[in-house]
Amino acid sequence: AQKITQTQPGMFVQEKEAVTLDCTYDTSDPSYGLFWYKQPSSGEMIFLIYQGSYDQQNATEGRYSLNFQKARKSANLVISASQLGDSAMYFCAMREGPSTGNQFYFGTGTSLTVIP
Amino acid sequence: EADIYQTPRYLVIGTGKKITLECSQTMGHDKMYWYQQDPGMELHLIHYSYGVNSTEKGDLSSESTVSRIRTEHFPLTLESARPSHTSQYLCASNPGVENFTETQYFGPGTRLLVL
Repeated sequence: AQKITQTQPGMFVQEKEAVTLDCTYDTSDPSYGLFWYKQPSSGEMIFLIYQGSYDQQNATEGRYSLNFQKARKSANLVISASQLGDSAMYFCAMREGPSTGNQFYFGTGTSLTVIP
Repeated sequence: EADIYQTPRYLVIGTGKKITLECSQTMGHDKMYWYQQDPGMELHLIHYSYGVNSTEKGDLSSESTVSRIRTEHFPLTLESARPSHTSQYLCASNPGVENFTETQYFGPGTRLLVL
């Protein structure tokens, strides 16, 4: 079974609008972390936001927020007020806790295009 | 600020050549990784290391080899490059402490083209 599932290969959003990128995960470990990364066409991976499995509140970092629904095992990324520079690949990732070896798992990514 | 470096950034080479992609980090991280990624596609883990003298193969079978003689250095070697090796190679690291809150830090990547 896939540990991280991103079901949207590509997404389009109008500039200044908000967009949600979906991510679901699968783990039996009670301790885990969820991460989102941005990868522009230049190729580098940029860490955006983190959510811990025990965090009570949704993580926010500037225009990025993580909609964490633990019971549904989803960790969707919300980008508010999209900008042209947000056009990139976005990867969801999970790091399991010590009991399962601290492994990192990445999704297949979502390509976001911001339209002027 | 992540201190993880990869050289070269771009490499064009002929079939059959031996190449080594360099990766170094100055953060003292125990865990290091190599990913292979085609443009716009998912990351494939090809090798990882949990410390000096520890190396493991990842999920994607690869004709490459790695070594980890020093904590900060994790080079990837292709003994005989082929066009099918054309891809981007990303190096990453994270602390080896039992802490799932720490992100992976990525290098800038090496884009390899084998003719």
